[in-house]
Amino acid sequence: GIQVEQSPPDLILQEGANSTLRCNFSDSVNNLQWFHQNPWGQLINLFYIPSGTKQNGRLSATTVATERYSLLYISSSQTTDSGVYFCAVERGFGNEKLTFGTGTRLTIIP
Amino acid sequence: GAVVSQHPSWVICKSGTSVKIECRSLDFQATTMFWYRQFPKQSLMLMATSNEGSKATYEQGVEKDKFLINHASLTLSTLTVTSAHPEDSSFYICSARIRLGLRNEQFFGPGTRLTVL
Repeated sequence: GIQVEQSPPDLILQEGANSTLRCNFSDSVNNLQWFHQNPWGQLINLFYIPSGTKQNGRLSATTVATERYSLLYISSSQTTDSGVYFCAVERGFGNEKLTFGTGTRLTIIP
Repeated sequence: GAVVSQHPSWVICKSGTSVKIECRSLDFQATTMFWYRQFPKQSLMLMATSNEGSKATYEQGVEKDKFLINHASLTLSTLTVTSAHPEDSSFYICSARIRLGLRNEQFFGPGTRLTVL
């Protein structure tokens, strides 16, 4: 099956810092989503981004499908950004289920 | 929009009992829902795909007789953990899929934390 690796596995930053999270995947995909899992376990949809670039406030994401990676940028970090960030991919073409990456645990220190 | 609820949010039960978890799409219809399991500090693992009006499709290694899935309507899927044992303790999360043309997007419930004593 498809492999999804995220880096770094852990990241500790001061409030106000910027960060870049990376997601590499081993095969072509039809769908890529970024999620934030908050400390209570809820997954929050951040981006649906199989290709291209999107921005939403302090967050933006870029997927380069031909090179099989996606990046999530967080600017001016706040303590509420803490949690685990997952990317998940779907191959499509009859295989329509999400495979989750290994996750990046982000801790923002006041 | 695209809100998914789960009930209960947490449950503690004795070994050997069965536990039912409900997953509802509140503001949309979902022909397909998914059940995941997550162990502490690990990623989500897909257990099964739940299709409205038909049998669920289970991932390799998931016991279908232990994890019974029913998708009786376009807004409700249930997962029943039968004869639960301590090793079934975990965080169970459901999702519902919205399909708009070529776009397939999943939205997740808040999860159910199961502890089996």
